[in-house]
Amino acid sequence: GAVVSQHPSWVICKSGTSVKIECRSLDFQATTMFWYRQFPKQSLMLMATSNEGSKATYEQGVEKDKFLINHASLTLSTLTVTSAHPEDSSFYICSARDSQVQETQYFGPGTRLLVL
Amino acid sequence: DAKTTQPTSMDCAEGRAANLPCNHSTISGNEYVYWYRQIHSQGPQYIIHGLKNNETNEMASLIITEDRKSSTLILPHATLRDTAVYYCIVWLLGANNLFFGTGTRLTVIP
Repeated sequence: GAVVSQHPSWVICKSGTSVKIECRSLDFQATTMFWYRQFPKQSLMLMATSNEGSKATYEQGVEKDKFLINHASLTLSTLTVTSAHPEDSSFYICSARDSQVQETQYFGPGTRLLVL
Repeated sequence: DAKTTQPTSMDCAEGRAANLPCNHSTISGNEYVYWYRQIHSQGPQYIIHGLKNNETNEMASLIITEDRKSSTLILPHATLRDTAVYYCIVWLLGANNLFFGTGTRLTVIP
């Protein structure tokens, strides 16, 4: 299957700082990417849909000014957690859909964020 | 999106077939059935999907009932590395996002 990478895998930061997470589709182009968050022992929750060249669409309850999403190319989307707080500590996972083959979403390995 | 119902957990002996059921009684005619799994601390892994016909690939088989109200994912020879949470999702082709339920935690026992 198609490969999606995320960087970094782990990040620990101080409260109040900003953290950027990258999501890349390695062998296909993705006009649409998705950002999910997963808390311990819970399922994945969709945060936002990232569209190449346009603004992201955020799910209800997700602050767009806190979770900045940029999808500047067909292979890269970034999620920036601004002014991170301990409650933002979570497992952040991105996924991407192949623009040519619309049927399947492929997920990245996830980024674990710990805010101290 | 149609809702799915899966058992919370299942055990399977190593080497045996693992049969994971999923109910999706409100599925519409153009919604696909997708299966993903998530091994601890990793991103979800695509397994298989289907619309009406049964499907098979190198990982698993998907059996969809004729009325499409339920399906079964079959791992023919479960290994310890198949221990994971398995998610059954119904998805409308062209819709933007996948919504994950609670899934089935499959434990493969030596």
